[in-house]
Amino acid sequence: GESVGLHLPTLSVQEGDNSIINCAYSNSASDYFIWYKQESGKGPQFIIDIRSNMDKRQGQRVTVLLNKTVKHLSLQIAATQPGDSAVYFCAEKVDFGNEKLTFGTGTRLTIIP
Amino acid sequence: EAGVVQSPRYKIIEKKQPVAFWCNPISGHNTLYWYLQNLGQGPELLIRYENEEAVDDSQLPKDRFSAERLKGVDSTLKIQPAELGDSAVYLCASSSNRVNTGELFFGEGSRLTVL
Repeated sequence: GESVGLHLPTLSVQEGDNSIINCAYSNSASDYFIWYKQESGKGPQFIIDIRSNMDKRQGQRVTVLLNKTVKHLSLQIAATQPGDSAVYFCAEKVDFGNEKLTFGTGTRLTIIP
Repeated sequence: EAGVVQSPRYKIIEKKQPVAFWCNPISGHNTLYWYLQNLGQGPELLIRYENEEAVDDSQLPKDRFSAERLKGVDSTLKIQPAELGDSAVYLCASSSNRVNTGELFFGEGSRLTVL
């Protein structure tokens, strides 16, 4: 993904509602996709990942959807809480012979109390 | 279990001065990464180590940046001399190849301000 500089896409969601964060990836050879959460002043924290042979994976309150046809990834967060406020990054990785993890453009999620 | 430890957390220097950042990965993690994160952007890989070998340093500006991981455990990233544009957060991450996942564990980063 390409950076949009200082103007991060933003999403504001009422507490308790569901949120969907979208990401377009660029490399059709990517085999792994990972969502990271980054709170202010902290390093990225792993949320959930998905392999390219899957189109959906669920975790606790989070679901990742993968559409390889249009190279699109989404993160759904159910019943959002104030602690979900952060910047969310998608990242892609080509599995074999390449451990490089490439991060996409982040989205700033703000939960409104 | 301790996570990835980085120091210092913050560093302010004048341009042309040298600076060094230290990282201690999670115990047993053979792969170590240094990422650069500019304000409002995603992290960008600078260098990746497999044990003590730098296996991907294609994005490291070698005229002023250097890194080492002499014993395959902790690592140091150095900038000499620093430029104004080097102001950013320098993130260290580690992972284990014993499990075939994409998860990287990140430290809290070292925030550099060059005046």
